[in-house]
Amino acid sequence: DAKTTQPNSMESNEEEPVHLPCNHSTISGTDYIHWYRQLPSQGPEYVIHGLTSNVNNRMASLAIAEDRKSSTLILHRATLRDAAVYYCILISPTGGFKTIFGAGTRLFVKA
Amino acid sequence: DAGITQSPRHKVTETGTPVTLRCHQTENHRYMYWYRQDPGHGLRLIHYSYGVKDTDKGEVSDGYSVSRSKTEDFLLTLESATSSQTSVYFCAISQAGLNQPQHFGDGTRLSIL
Repeated sequence: DAKTTQPNSMESNEEEPVHLPCNHSTISGTDYIHWYRQLPSQGPEYVIHGLTSNVNNRMASLAIAEDRKSSTLILHRATLRDAAVYYCILISPTGGFKTIFGAGTRLFVKA
Repeated sequence: DAGITQSPRHKVTETGTPVTLRCHQTENHRYMYWYRQDPGHGLRLIHYSYGVKDTDKGEVSDGYSVSRSKTEDFLLTLESATSSQTSVYFCAISQAGLNQPQHFGDGTRLSIL
């Protein structure tokens, strides 16, 4: 099964952009790349997802490498409320539904 | 927040007892999911449902069963709870397609002594 690899933690200053990397070198052609984040004592919150092309929404941008073996979640201006654990997930809707959650990246934001 | 309610929010029980967790949604979404979250493991899919009476297994389904008799309710049952099933359980829903965004409940913290 395809897996994701993320740094354990990252640190950012408030108001600065943050680039959260994810490696998924064994991704298959039908796997979607999703990002979620989780605050303490809460359920995960959807951030963004994509298949092949870069994606933008009000929360973030997702940059997907051309070979799809890695992706980067971009928070354009980090705020203190963005401090959370960020999960890069592969979702395979075909051949038996699978979601592969890794351990995630804990993002610290400094004021 | 998406209209997802998990009950109970906390439960402590003893090994060998049956336990049922409930997930209730008011969004009329077709897909519902149960996950467990343990330190160092992220979230792992237990079971999911793609419609009333339509369910399938996830990667850690052993020891768990589910039922969905109505669109709005998805029940997770531990027939005979074991200490290894102590975890935080999350329910999620998605509207259209297994590859679409999932919206999560606030979780149930289950302790089995």
